[in-house]
Amino acid sequence: RKEVEQDPGPFNVPEGATVAFNCTYSNSASQSFFWYRQDCRKEPKLLMSVYSSGNEDGRFTAQLNRASQYISLLIRDSKLSDSATYLCVVNLSGNQFYFGTGTSLTVIP
Amino acid sequence: EAGVAQSPRYKIIEKRQSVAFWCNPISGHATLYWYQQILGQGPKLLIQFQNNGVVDDSQLPKDRFSAERLKGVDSTLKIQPAKLEDSAVYLCASRRAGSPYEQYFGPGTRLTVT
Repeated sequence: RKEVEQDPGPFNVPEGATVAFNCTYSNSASQSFFWYRQDCRKEPKLLMSVYSSGNEDGRFTAQLNRASQYISLLIRDSKLSDSATYLCVVNLSGNQFYFGTGTSLTVIP
Repeated sequence: EAGVAQSPRYKIIEKRQSVAFWCNPISGHATLYWYQQILGQGPKLLIQFQNNGVVDDSQLPKDRFSAERLKGVDSTLKIQPAKLEDSAVYLCASRRAGSPYEQYFGPGTRLTVT
């Protein structure tokens, strides 16, 4: 079983739409959670950390559900520039990081 | 603050040849990672260093891959001999010791094995 699972998509949404991605993790001892963004042929870049209480950064909201072992990312008012692959990352301990396969998002004009 | 530097950016080799990649992490970052990212997949950890010591190399194919970080700063990853399935992007990432655990990635080296 994979440590982290994501729906690869692709998600094709119109500008202005709201889109949500989910990610499940298998190890209940996982400690930290992140969403990274990866543009085509570029390196991953940290989008936001995910805190137990949920957190928001502008149009982006991340939530963690420890009981069900999933994290989510909500993007409101999608922009063309949001088109990218979104990677879910789970930190098992200080040393072990597991990446999902990524969810592809294309925002259509 | 300068980011993570990697070189070369692109490399094409034939199978059974050798190749080496170089990474210079962000200044002051004690932890350094090498990841392999195959097209359509997420990055897979190959090896993690804390300063100049190996913390985790459980997913490194040790029969052909090796890595070192002799002085606790720069690191090199070597493949010898390369196989077709090694074609991938090799990403180096670094972070400060302790939390927060955010990693910062370099631009990667795109390896094509023919």
